[in-house]
Amino acid sequence: GDSVTQMEGPVTLSEEAFLTINCTYTATGYPSLFWYVQYPGEGLQLLLKATKADDKGSNKGFEATYRKETTSFHLEKGSVQVSDSAVYFCALSPQAAGNKLTFGGGTRVLVKP
Amino acid sequence: DTAVSQTPKYLVTQMGNDKSIKCEQNLGHDTMYWYKQDSKKFLKIMFSYNNKELIINETVPNRFSPKSPDKAHLNLHINSLELGDSAVYFCASSQSPIEQFFGPGTRLTVL
Repeated sequence: GDSVTQMEGPVTLSEEAFLTINCTYTATGYPSLFWYVQYPGEGLQLLLKATKADDKGSNKGFEATYRKETTSFHLEKGSVQVSDSAVYFCALSPQAAGNKLTFGGGTRVLVKP
Repeated sequence: DTAVSQTPKYLVTQMGNDKSIKCEQNLGHDTMYWYKQDSKKFLKIMFSYNNKELIINETVPNRFSPKSPDKAHLNLHINSLELGDSAVYFCASSQSPIEQFFGPGTRLTVL
C-alpha cells in the first residue's frame, strides 16, 4: 500500500539556520504530494503542494520539489524563524483514490532564538 | 469566521461511556473526513463522506460510527470507550484532492 516516510524529530535549530526535512514515499502511479504544518494547539494547515513530477511547491519561504526518480519531496527553508516551530507532515494523495491523504509520521521542529 | 469547527475541544470521560464529537464546515465543501492523531503525532484517516455518502472507511472498530446529517456536518459517535481511544481527533473538509482544511481538533482522554 501507499506510505510516506519522513525523518524523525525533533529537529532543533537556531534562528536563521537552514532547515531540511526529508520525505520519501511509496505509491503507484503519480500521486500528488503535500506538506502540512501543525502549530502548537492547532489543526493542520496546507503549507505547499506539488501535483506532478518536477513541480516545485513553495510558500512562506519553504520549498519542496517533486522528485519522481528518487520518490522524494524534501522540505527546505533557507532561514528559519522562531515562528516556524511546529510539526511538519509530508503527505500524498494517490492518483486514483481521490481525496484520500496518507501522512508521514510528522517531524517536530524547534527553532531557538 | 471559523471554516471547520469541532466541539468539544476537550473531552474527558470514563471507560465504557458513549460520546460524540461534532464537526461543521462553512466552506461549502462536498467532502468531509475524520482523522485520529495518536500521542506520537501519527495521523491516520478513519472515515470520509462525500455529499452525505460514506466513501472511505478504514479499518476502524465498529464502536466508531460517523453520521452526516447534511454535507456541512459530520459527527463521530464512539461507543464503549476504551483507553486506547485516547487521542486527538481531527475533522477536515475539501472540495478537491488538492487541499483539505482541518478543524482545531478534539482531545479525547479516556480514564
